[in-house]
Amino acid sequence: DAGVIQSPRHEVTEMGQEVTLRCKPISGHDYLFWYRQTMMRGLELLIYFNNNVPIDDSGMPEDRFSAKMPNASFSTLKIQPSEPRDSAVYFCASKTAGSNQPQHFGDGTRLSIL
Amino acid sequence: RKEVEQDPGPFNVPEGATVAFNCTYSNSASQSFFWYRQDCRKEPKLLMSVYSSGNEDGRFTAQLNRASQYISLLIRDSKLSDSATYLCVVANSGGSNYKLTFGKGTLLTVNP
Repeated sequence: DAGVIQSPRHEVTEMGQEVTLRCKPISGHDYLFWYRQTMMRGLELLIYFNNNVPIDDSGMPEDRFSAKMPNASFSTLKIQPSEPRDSAVYFCASKTAGSNQPQHFGDGTRLSIL
Repeated sequence: RKEVEQDPGPFNVPEGATVAFNCTYSNSASQSFFWYRQDCRKEPKLLMSVYSSGNEDGRFTAQLNRASQYISLLIRDSKLSDSATYLCVVANSGGSNYKLTFGKGTLLTVNP
């Protein structure tokens, strides 16, 4: 079975550039989550969607970050303009409905902003 | 108080040792609890759910104490392959809302 698929796996870009991260959730999953992980702050929830609708974006650090889910099989996280402090690993995860159902994570995108 | 707080670690133990991790959470209304495992430079993966009555999966035992808002993970007869970061995770849900809060993790190194 295909898991959560993220692209790119690695991204290195200069500050000020636009960065777009992509995610394909597991087919049939109702929820999609975007996380950011750093050594200092651990794993932080940025935003999540239920049935393609954003439910909670309170973790999005600032207006430079935006996320969309145009359909059930695709989501993007965009940073514009990017800054060095955005450097982190960004994970996408998906799950089915039900509070006891676990989240399944993608391999992550390792982002470096120079 | 942090939403989810774990032992800071790191833990360094010899093969065959028993090791226990503890975790506390601040939201008494939290409904579901998990332990995830994360290997270096990899994604988090579900290790086990934590049920109110406690549950066991092979060498791993998870306990939940709702009154004390406390979760634990016990690993018996530890193996080299158990070396990883263990993340305590608490879920809050209602309607279409569902949010996992992760602890910062405890690093375990099992030595030969």
